[in-house]
Amino acid sequence: GESVGLHLPTLSVQEGDNSIINCAYSNSASDYFIWYKQESGKGPQFIIDIRSNMDKRQGQRVTVLLNKTVKHLSLQIAATQPGDSAVYFCAEISGNTPLVFGKGTRLSVIA
Amino acid sequence: EAQVTQNPRYLITVTGKKLTVTCSQNMNHEYMSWYRQDPGLGLRQIYYSMNVEVTDKGDVPEGYKVSRKEKRNFPLILESPSPNQTSLYFCASSFDPPWLGGTETQYFGPGTRLLVL
Repeated sequence: GESVGLHLPTLSVQEGDNSIINCAYSNSASDYFIWYKQESGKGPQFIIDIRSNMDKRQGQRVTVLLNKTVKHLSLQIAATQPGDSAVYFCAEISGNTPLVFGKGTRLSVIA
Repeated sequence: EAQVTQNPRYLITVTGKKLTVTCSQNMNHEYMSWYRQDPGLGLRQIYYSMNVEVTDKGDVPEGYKVSRKEKRNFPLILESPSPNQTSLYFCASSFDPPWLGGTETQYFGPGTRLLVL
């Protein structure tokens, strides 16, 4: 089946800078996308989601951008903090199917 | 406190010895699911349950069984574990399935690390 992937496996940013985590998806029928954060030793935690009829959605310090033309999803974290250090996963859903997760990007925040 | 609990958190076993990993949630969620997480592969769904007595296969169900006799519990059963089932397992629950927006109410358990020798 088609899979969700990530451009960069690791990302290091200075504290206070903005972070951008990218995700490419290959299933053009996917209509719902989610970003998760997984801290060391814990389960994934929902961050933000976006439907395919939108191209941008904002939360608290986070923004998700969806470009359906190139099948690309990104998560922007403003003013990155040490507590943002984690692995970030994108996931996609097509219709009434279970989530398909990407492999993850590790974000390291340098104080 | 709203939570999903899993037991055990760590388990070392041998090939062929039946084991059960328990999962329990206290939020009256209807949708529950099991995932395994492997390096380089991300999370993959094993089984899911829409409600009591309703279970369905995910992407990687081979070698696993589940049951949903009560709403709060969703045990994962390995009848005859093999080394390729060595993994980190997560249980999750939500009011609705992901495709109906359930991810916003979704809770994951802390994980069970299983080693099959």
